[in-house]
Amino acid sequence: DIQMTQSPSSLSASVGDRVIITCRASQDISNYVNWYQQKPGKAPKLLISAASNFQSGVPPRFSVSGSGTDFILTISSLQPDDFATYFCQQSHTTPLTFGQGTRLEIK
Amino acid sequence: QMELVESGGGVVRPGGSLRLSCAASGFTFSDYYMTWIRQAPGKGLEWLATTSGGSRYSTYAASVRGRFSISRDNAKNSLYLQMNSLRAEDSAVYYCAKSHLGYLPNDAFDIWGQGTVVTVSP
Repeated sequence: DIQMTQSPSSLSASVGDRVIITCRASQDISNYVNWYQQKPGKAPKLLISAASNFQSGVPPRFSVSGSGTDFILTISSLQPDDFATYFCQQSHTTPLTFGQGTRLEIK
Repeated sequence: QMELVESGGGVVRPGGSLRLSCAASGFTFSDYYMTWIRQAPGKGLEWLATTSGGSRYSTYAASVRGRFSISRDNAKNSLYLQMNSLRAEDSAVYYCAKSHLGYLPNDAFDIWGQGTVVTVSP
């Protein structure tokens, strides 16, 4: 199985901060990585698919980079609505696997 | 507006069975691979099973293979998960999810239901 390892597991930041979340795959997955945002008590929401395809409505403060095994999600200027848990997911090979999540909290 | 609504969760004893349902609306259900994903309390997301639009193809996670069965009824725009031989570690919120592109078994998930809670407890 392909392991997806996110770091950090949790992060405290302030409104206006720039944050970086990384996701590392245990093998080359090309660009088959997807990013989700989940708020407490809610289902995950797809933000970005295939490493760089943004869903409609995703603000431009979100950006992504990477291919192969290392991927980065950057939020350039945190807004109150961004405090949530973020997951990466690989869609390269079954079983599809998710990172353990990065919980982004308000400092 | 595309929507998925799960139902069928509840409390069941270890070894018991439960059938989850997912009602789809707002898109051509038969055109899309559909998937079940679960999330244990305070934990991450676990992919469980995916089925193709015409039900010809299904695949399962090792943790549920042989115990869970995914199926669909395109005439009713509904997805199902039959869960047998339930264990305490199956306790979780269960989500159904729609594949983003539709024609790939390995895909992102762009529409999720609100989830239904399954608790396996004596």
